[in-house]
Amino acid sequence: DVKVTQSSRYLVKRTGEKVFLECVQDMDHENMFWYRQDPGLGLRLIYFSYDVKMKEKGDIPEGYSVSREKKERFSLILESASTNQTSMYLCASSGLGTLNTGELFFGEGSRLTVL
Amino acid sequence: RKEVEQDPGPFNVPEGATVAFNCTYSNSASQSFFWYRQDCRKEPKLLMSVYSSGNEDGRFTAQLNRASQYISLLIRDSKLSDSATYLCVVNLLNSNSGYALNFGKGTSLLVTP
Repeated sequence: DVKVTQSSRYLVKRTGEKVFLECVQDMDHENMFWYRQDPGLGLRLIYFSYDVKMKEKGDIPEGYSVSREKKERFSLILESASTNQTSMYLCASSGLGTLNTGELFFGEGSRLTVL
Repeated sequence: RKEVEQDPGPFNVPEGATVAFNCTYSNSASQSFFWYRQDCRKEPKLLMSVYSSGNEDGRFTAQLNRASQYISLLIRDSKLSDSATYLCVVNLLNSNSGYALNFGKGTSLLVTP
C-alpha cells in the first residue's frame, strides 16, 4: 500500500522559531509537493520538486524553503515562523505521468500552530 | 477570477437522494479534470477522473462540458458515508508554479439519516 508519512501530526511553535516539517514517501515517486490548507482558501501549493536537489516555487512560497536531498524525503522549512503560518500542511507525491492520471498521494497532514 | 471555482455548500441531503456538484474553470486550455474526496480531518484522495465522454463509477457519474468550461459530479442513492468535501481539480498551466494540478476550494456534502 502506498504511503506518504509526515513526521508530526500536531506542532505548536512560537513566533520566530525555525520549524522543520518532514515528509517521506515509499513509492519511489519523482514528484513531491507541499501544500497548505486553510478554511475558505482551499489547498495552495507552496513548493514542489521533480527530482532530487530540484525545487520549484508554487503559488505561495514566501516565508518557506524546502530541501530534497534524497528522492524519498522532502522537507519544508519555516525559517522564522509567524502567526499567519498557522495552518494544516499537506505533503503529497506522485510518479511520472501525473498530468494524465491526476493522482497525488497525500500524507495525513501536519497541523501547525504558531503562537 | 479564480481558476477553479466551486460552490462551497454545504449541501445537506437525505439518504437515498441524488445530488450534483458543479465546478467551473477559467482556462480553456485545461487538459484533464478530476474529483477528489476529503473526509473530515483526513487527507484528500482521488475519487475519479473526468473524461470528455463522461464516465461512471458505481453511484458516481462525472461529466465534462468543455464549451461551457465546467465539470460535474453526480451522486445517486446517497449514503451516510458519502458525507465529505469534494474537491474539483483541473490540470492547467500555472504561470507561477509551472505545475498543472489546481484544486478548487471544495464542496461540502452532508448526508443525513
